[in-house]
Amino acid sequence: SAVISQKPSRDICQRGTSLTIQCQVDSQVTMMFWYRQQPGQSLTLIATANQGSEATYESGFVIDKFPISRPNLTFSTLTVSNMSPEDSSIYLCSAGVQGVPEAFFGQGTRLTVV
Amino acid sequence: AQSVSQHNHHVILSEAASLELGCNYSYGGTVNLFWYVQYPGQHLQLLLKYFSGDPLVKGIKGFEAEFIKSKFSFNLRKPSVQWSDTAEYFCAVSLWGYQKVTFGTGTKLQVIP
Repeated sequence: SAVISQKPSRDICQRGTSLTIQCQVDSQVTMMFWYRQQPGQSLTLIATANQGSEATYESGFVIDKFPISRPNLTFSTLTVSNMSPEDSSIYLCSAGVQGVPEAFFGQGTRLTVV
Repeated sequence: AQSVSQHNHHVILSEAASLELGCNYSYGGTVNLFWYVQYPGQHLQLLLKYFSGDPLVKGIKGFEAEFIKSKFSFNLRKPSVQWSDTAEYFCAVSLWGYQKVTFGTGTKLQVIP
């Protein structure tokens, strides 16, 4: 299994600012993903973080709003840019290990935009 | 594109009642199936998972789920619920060999003492 640490665990931010969320995995993983859970909603995949190349975004999500980095096999960041109250959500990092079908989830970052 | 449907959005049960939450997915290929639980104010936790083999899988806290391939279903069951089972339950699916997960819309379970 993989243990995933996310920082910060929560934050309150002013609209118009940006927040970068960090995701650290305790072992090398094949795949890393970022999800969003808006209040009262299910989890929606934002993008797949690719090591050494640009992230692959799902429909409705764009790089300018959610830039993602993955400089190595154990670390990724998600930035929520130019935030508005609608960005208030829980953002979760997920990681998968080659040969293991289960994905592991971090504890999430609870973001409130005021 | 694969999708996951959870039929019950909000379920209210009395303690000791039996629980069954429906989940159907739409994908014809080989899939991995999961049930996750999210207790109020807490993070997502894995309840149980199915990859292959026995279609009846047992998870934590007395939960079980049955994979019926012909019906594309993976229903969650518990014979006797407790107040502490009050939570939101998410069915999820991923393609065999991949870890990208598609979640259902979730079912809020409220157990009344």
